[in-house]
Amino acid sequence: SAVISQKPSRDICQRGTSLTIQCQVDSQVTMMFWYRQQPGQSLTLIATANQGSEATYESGFVIDKFPISRPNLTFSTLTVSNMSPEDSSIYLCSVEDARTSTDTQYFGPGTRLTVL
Amino acid sequence: AQSVTQLDSHVSVSEGTPVLLRCNYSSSYSPSLFWYVQHPNKGLQLLLKYTSAATLVKGINGFEAEFKKSETSFHLTKPSAHMSDAAEYFCVVSPKGSARQLTFGSGTQLTVLP
Repeated sequence: SAVISQKPSRDICQRGTSLTIQCQVDSQVTMMFWYRQQPGQSLTLIATANQGSEATYESGFVIDKFPISRPNLTFSTLTVSNMSPEDSSIYLCSVEDARTSTDTQYFGPGTRLTVL
Repeated sequence: AQSVTQLDSHVSVSEGTPVLLRCNYSSSYSPSLFWYVQHPNKGLQLLLKYTSAATLVKGINGFEAEFKKSETSFHLTKPSAHMSDAAEYFCVVSPKGSARQLTFGSGTQLTVLP
């Protein structure tokens, strides 16, 4: 399966600032996704990152708060904008690699964000 | 529509004893089912998946799960727990053939006692 890395692995940020999280894959993949895992909770899909077009956001998530880029088939970024303590979560990217399987997502190690 | 229910939020076992983590699903179509594990401060790792071949699926680290359509269950088992198995486990369902609509269970925290 694809090897996925995320930067930063963790960060502590001040209220009102923004943080951009990077997701890098070692091979070209068809689909990339961004998830949020709030403390003690399961995962919630934020959006699907589409290469060359706007991301597709799930209900409850908006582009102004979580802008996403996907300039090519191996890289995506998620920005958490105008942060508040409620944004403290683990943010994970995942990929679907159509070369090996069209029904399985593989996850990165996550970015642990704390907002003060 | 699809949903997943993990019946136990916490499971505690002694090292060397069997592990059973329970999962029931609901799906209006043929599902694919997955178990992922999340160790502390780590991302999610795929343990195993069911996609309609054998109903008994073997995964990594000695785990296996059995798909029971009549019971709409996909319980995860391991014959003998190891200390390194202590982690959070997520049961996940998606439409068969598509990974784009994952529905996650609420998770089961497994504690392994020495």
